[in-house]
Amino acid sequence: NAGVTQTPKFRILKIGQSMTLQCTQDMNHNYMYWYRQDPGMGLKLIYYSVGAGITDKGEVPNGYNVSRSTTEDFPLRLELAAPSQTSVYFCATGTGVSSGANVLTFGAGSRLTVL
Amino acid sequence: QKEVEQNSGPLSVPEGAIASLNCTYSDRGSQSFFWYRQYSGKSPELIMFIYSNGDKEDGRFTAQLNKASQYVSLLIRDSQPSDSATYLCAIGGDGNKLVFGAGTILRVKS
Repeated sequence: NAGVTQTPKFRILKIGQSMTLQCTQDMNHNYMYWYRQDPGMGLKLIYYSVGAGITDKGEVPNGYNVSRSTTEDFPLRLELAAPSQTSVYFCATGTGVSSGANVLTFGAGSRLTVL
Repeated sequence: QKEVEQNSGPLSVPEGAIASLNCTYSDRGSQSFFWYRQYSGKSPELIMFIYSNGDKEDGRFTAQLNKASQYVSLLIRDSQPSDSATYLCAIGGDGNKLVFGAGTILRVKS
């Protein structure tokens, strides 16, 4: 039972390049999230999904896109990378409030540097 | 926009002391409150959560809610050097989304 798996762990991009951060889960949770964390800052929600085929914007969606074709996978696409996207990205799954409280489980994170 | 505020710290306590961490929140209608611990270079991990109807104790950790003043506390008894980390407060928001504070750095000195 791996939980939430993110790849790659580290990546350096040049300005204008594109890439996809992969996230897969084996917890059978409907809810999935992408957060970014800048140094000394909290987690900012980029995009989230309440189930396969359904995604929605979070607090800081500009410059990113997501898709959710299966329950397990929730990739985050960065188009035309900019230095402002240098950050640590966390994928998370959630149990949903129907289970009581929406408890999030995080992946190990992906550290992205844009030069 | 819902907001969660935390003192960035660092909060320094001696080993064996009680560490008290607080966060304030803006949405009076919030129903669930979470504390996550994050070690340097690692991902956040859940310590505990509480609902708007009461406090909770789990081992050395106690989470308390003051609804009138809109703040949540996390008490860590018998603090250990291994408790040194950043503690993130989060509030349950709309649509199964959590809003996180920036975190408080805790340092436990042996």
